[in-house]
Amino acid sequence: SQTIHQWPATLVQPVGSPLSLECTVEGTSNPNLYWYRQAAGRGLQLLFYSVGIGQISSEVPQNLSASRPQDRQFILSSKKLLLSDSGFYLCAWSVQRTFQHFGSGTRLTVV
Amino acid sequence: SQQGEEDPQALSIQEGENATMNCSYKTSINNLQWYRQNSGRGLVHLILIRSNEREKHSGRLRVTLDTSKKSSSLLITASRAADTASYFCATGFGGSNYKLTFGKGTLLTVNP
Repeated sequence: SQTIHQWPATLVQPVGSPLSLECTVEGTSNPNLYWYRQAAGRGLQLLFYSVGIGQISSEVPQNLSASRPQDRQFILSSKKLLLSDSGFYLCAWSVQRTFQHFGSGTRLTVV
Repeated sequence: SQQGEEDPQALSIQEGENATMNCSYKTSINNLQWYRQNSGRGLVHLILIRSNEREKHSGRLRVTLDTSKKSSSLLITASRAADTASYFCATGFGGSNYKLTFGKGTLLTVNP
């Protein structure tokens, strides 16, 4: 069966520090991968999506970047965090034009 | 821009009652999906309805889609306290660059 792992669950980072959030998928090949951010009480904002290794599409200009070094690995990074980067980050995968499977999320607080 | 918009933003009902949430969208879609999110957790997919479908059922869930009005509704029958969660609609569009656009959600509270 397919599973998605996202870590860490919570993270408190100082302003100006780097960030690396990792997401891995098991049990499927060549999935579409997505990073979302959710502000408190809000919907999901799509940050990045990837349809294959090394293929990254950015939806919103910002202080973040994404990489897909392996088929089932998706990494969200920042060189220097801003206070506005705080939020709930969700990774998801899908195959073809179907529904998405979400990870359990990372609560990032930048202080 | 945000594609889906749920209505109401919050809904409070008693156990056993039915809950109806609505979603409106603006452009053409391939499909429309409903997700559930418990507080502080990831989203869980509930049901997908394609643009050529009008109604779909799954257990206590019933989803309708009216493409002429660009709207959808999610009905949860005989609600339970465990149904308390946020519910999001998401519209899917695109070919090789297919992606979903989520609304802001409806917070459903089911009181025991």
